[in-house]
Amino acid sequence: AQSVTQLDSQVPVFEEAPVELRCNYSSSVSVYLFWYVQYPNQGLQLLLKYLSGSTLVKGINGFEAEFNKSQTSFHLRKPSVHISDTAEYFCAVSDGRGAQKLVFGQGTRLTINP
Amino acid sequence: NAGVTQTPKFQVLKTGQSMTLQCAQDMNHEYMSWYRQDPGMGLRLIHYSVGAGITDQGEVPNGYNVSRSTTEDFPLRLLSAAPSQTSVYFCASSYGGLAGGHEQYFGPGTRLTVT
Repeated sequence: AQSVTQLDSQVPVFEEAPVELRCNYSSSVSVYLFWYVQYPNQGLQLLLKYLSGSTLVKGINGFEAEFNKSQTSFHLRKPSVHISDTAEYFCAVSDGRGAQKLVFGQGTRLTINP
Repeated sequence: NAGVTQTPKFQVLKTGQSMTLQCAQDMNHEYMSWYRQDPGMGLRLIHYSVGAGITDQGEVPNGYNVSRSTTEDFPLRLLSAAPSQTSVYFCASSYGGLAGGHEQYFGPGTRLTVT
């Protein structure tokens, strides 16, 4: 069985500052990794995903994440955040055999201060 | 395309009442899933379906039933509502297999309160 731990429940940053949201996973098999974003009162939207290949994955809205197999991590980064990035971010994993069966982390609430 | 639609947006039930949350998608996706979102717990899988006529349990299936008679629709039934089922419910759909990229498309959610 897989599990996902998001190490920070809340991350406050100033506008135009860089940000890193941390995600660690555990699994006994190869995994697919995802970051989803949830804006207030909305559903979830895919930011980026790692299925195979290059370990540095670029997504929408200037976000990127790096898959580190040895550290079982998939941290999300953005070099300069904007007020519109205020949202909740979820890291998720699937084992590939059941890609529709996502296991989510607890979420990280990103708050951007002017 | 409307994508994934869910009805109702909000619902208040009394303990013991039953109801059905509706989910439909117009993308011809094979896979559909139901999740519940609770504060500090992320999203947890309730039930999922890999095609019409095929359903299976997820992590938290107790108290919920599903069926999939068509590709488009995947309703979630609460048999006898309990306060522990107060949550936000999300339906999602995706193409099957690696060719679909494994991206799940989420509906806007149904906020359910059980008193």
